[in-house]
Amino acid sequence: DSGVTQTPKHLITATGQRVTLRCSPRSGDLSVYWYQQSLDQGLQFLIQYYNGEERAKGNILERFSAQQFPDLHSELNLSSLELGDSALYFCASSVGEAGGPGEQYFGPGTRLTVT
Amino acid sequence: GENVEQHPSTLSVQEGDSAVIKCTYSDSASNYFPWYKQELGKRPQLIIDIRSNVGEKKDQRIAVTLNKTAKHFSLHITETQPEDSAVYFCAASIKGNQFYFGTGTSLTVIP
Repeated sequence: DSGVTQTPKHLITATGQRVTLRCSPRSGDLSVYWYQQSLDQGLQFLIQYYNGEERAKGNILERFSAQQFPDLHSELNLSSLELGDSALYFCASSVGEAGGPGEQYFGPGTRLTVT
Repeated sequence: GENVEQHPSTLSVQEGDSAVIKCTYSDSASNYFPWYKQELGKRPQLIIDIRSNVGEKKDQRIAVTLNKTAKHFSLHITETQPEDSAVYFCAASIKGNQFYFGTGTSLTVIP
């Protein structure tokens, strides 16, 4: 157990709908990262937050948005869902040291199925 | 942005042999290079990492080498065991931001 929690574990929804994925980082970690992993694909970096502020953006679609709250948990919002959005969504956290990168700890993932 | 390429995509080795996975990156600002192991249906787990001020790092049967000039880094697993079978991902990061992952190598260790 990495200490990173994600809910829900599974989500099945229809095209055009909107969903929210939730992530709670490890205690003491300030950085949260979101990744998308499609079937037989690698990990696509979506976005990073550090202590409530957006730190870096990757290949995140305009239909997707995220935020990190004062208690450091993060939510990834996916709207106008398409079949191609079906994937495993991982959240990871790290201490986010100013002096350099730290180890990322991954959550168990949320499997999203769009029908 | 950063582009990480990883080879090979699949690798089969006999138990006890060595396995080598290679990655290249494009952004010279990348300074942190972790390697992850992901078993089917599970989360990626860090197995070893290296920072740009180090050329090599070893942890028991696993080692990573980094060539900053050529912008490539490699994972070496010696004395492979069946439990090493998994998908391995390399990644490159600039100061812990924007982690870019390779496309993965599916390693099979044949008993």
